[in-house]
Formats: sequence, structure tokens, C-alpha cells
Amino acid sequence: QQQVKQSPQSLIVQKGGISIINCAYENTAFDYFPWYQQFPGKGPALLIAIRPDVSEKKEGRFTISFNKSAKQFSLHIMDSQPGDSATYFCAASMRIYEDTGNQFYFGTGTSLTVIP
Amino acid sequence: NAGVTQTPKFRVLKTGQSMTLLCAQDMNHEYMYWYRQDPGMGLRLIHYSVGEGTTAKGEVPDGYNVSRLKKQNFLLGLESAAPSQTSVYFCASSYPPDGYTFGSGTRLTVV
Repeated sequence: QQQVKQSPQSLIVQKGGISIINCAYENTAFDYFPWYQQFPGKGPALLIAIRPDVSEKKEGRFTISFNKSAKQFSLHIMDSQPGDSATYFCAASMRIYEDTGNQFYFGTGTSLTVIP
Repeated sequence: NAGVTQTPKFRVLKTGQSMTLLCAQDMNHEYMYWYRQDPGMGLRLIHYSVGEGTTAKGEVPDGYNVSRLKKQNFLLGLESAAPSQTSVYFCASSYPPDGYTFGSGTRLTVV
């Protein structure tokens, strides 16, 4: 059972446009929601993360919007650039480290292509 | 700091062969993980460890074994490789409540 559902599977955006990737979860025990960026041949790298006590977090061109009541969160990439072309994973984890080992539950990934 | 280092980076195995993937971290993290990444399926947890000498099963543990004899090392073993184990394997470590630091991956092909 997929704990975190991610959409779309792939996304093509023009340079300068806004890229939006969405994730949904069911487990209300999740309390940490990171996004990872992965370039071909590389491991995923932490991009930005949010906790449920805030509705939005912005770091440069990257913004996470979080809707606790809807159990949804999304990544917005403003002014998308060709260098942003990568696979993006959302994830969720809960604080019960002893039981879960701080496991992260990942979405299935979104392949983003930014066209020059 | 090197972060998380995985060896080897590439490997081709014949069905039935065995091998060990090594993960080493220099961040003094307690928690370590092995994931496999397959197209359209994201990252799936194989095994994890919450400290030296401890291991636990993740989502897809069958066909794999792990050991954490030293805090900085987490080994993933395939006793009898099968074509279904063709994948990219990622090791990660963490210090809760922060996120993971991933290695650069091992691309394994079983023929």
C-alpha cells in the first residue's frame, strides 16, 4: 500500500514557467514532509522540507504548500530552469523513531523536464 | 566530509551468484537504510538499522540480508542473486528528526 501518493508521473514545463508536483498521504502520524531532487546517476538530495505546523515554506524558487486538513502537500518551482530537470520525490516520516527507525515513505517520483 | 559512500558503483552478476554491497557514513548517524529504486516504483525500503548491532526488515526484504557490525558501516548481501534483483540500490543515513543523506547508488544487473 502506497503511503504517499505522488502526481503527476512526468511533467514538461517551458523555461520560466511554474512546475507543480502534488502529494497526498493518509497517516496523520506523519510530521515531516521533505522533497528530494535526483539527477540521473546520482542519489536523491534533500531539496526542501516542511513540518505540519506551517502551511508554506519557501526557499528561493522552491515552495512547499501544506494543507493539513486535506492531507496534501505540493512543491512549486517558480521560474523553472532547464537545470531543474530532474526527478522529484516527496516523502513523509513520523516521529516514532524506535518503532519505525525514522523511516521515510516515498512517493513514486515525478520526472520534470524544463524545455529551453 | 564524504557523507555516505557506496561501493561498488556498478556490478553485473550471474543468476545464483552472491555479493555484498558496502555502505559507509562518516557523519556519526545512528540510523541507516538500504533502498532499491525501480522505474515507476520509487524508493522501496529493503532493510534498516537503528544502531550498531541492530537490523530490521523493511518493505521488500526477501532475498537480502544485512549486517551492522560497526556504526559507520551497513552491508547489504545477496546470497543467491535473481534477475528480479536488478535495480539501483541506495544507502542512506539519518539523524532524526532530520532527513536522509543518500549515497550515489549501486547499479546492479543480474543476468
